[in-house]
Amino acid sequence: DTGVSQDPRHKITKRGQNVTFRCDPISEHNRLYWYRQTLGQGPEFLTYFQNEAQLEKSRLLSDRFSAERPKGSFSTLEIQRTEQGDSAMYLCASSWDVWAGELFFGEGSRLTVL
Amino acid sequence: AQSVTQLDSQVPVFEEAPVELRCNYSSSVSVYLFWYVQYPNQGLQLLLKYLSGSTLVESINGFEAEFNKSQTSFHLRKPSVHISDTAEYFCAVTAMTGTASKLTFGTGTRLQVTL
Repeated sequence: DTGVSQDPRHKITKRGQNVTFRCDPISEHNRLYWYRQTLGQGPEFLTYFQNEAQLEKSRLLSDRFSAERPKGSFSTLEIQRTEQGDSAMYLCASSWDVWAGELFFGEGSRLTVL
Repeated sequence: AQSVTQLDSQVPVFEEAPVELRCNYSSSVSVYLFWYVQYPNQGLQLLLKYLSGSTLVESINGFEAEFNKSQTSFHLRKPSVHISDTAEYFCAVTAMTGTASKLTFGTGTRLQVTL
């Protein structure tokens, strides 16, 4: 297994456009997380899935953000009507069902909104 | 809710010198604590963790951290750093509940090791 993969790695878009990021977790991991990281800050929790169920969402996840994990495998994070403040690195992580304290992170998808 | 404070945004150090990266946390409940490391152009990876038991935990590459409940700290130390330790280090915390899920990260400390 090659680990958590994210696509695209970089996305430049104009304000108002929609963007979608994809995350493929480690295959045997049932938990999947999305985080956002801006310059000079640590990762901030956005949302978390157990299989296909979205169990928790942060207040950071405004109505313009939606995340899905339709078959309990890969996940997508869509941002509608992007704003300049959405520019950030979007990180995906996965872990086993039983909480052993370790998240496995992908390399992230960097979004730049012009 | 939990929070993490990493007071040092950057720590420059010479190779073979000791280093300490400070981490303090705040929580009204018991917590699990972690240090993650991010090497240039790579994803975050777990360096070490405290879940229970001995308050001193170690990594495979010579780092150690000590959980101090009275001081709500989890400082990371290494007695002799190497150039390859240059990276960003993040302290993280999660509540010790049955459905422990999300991590709360600090703002990170950039460790710069030079010759």
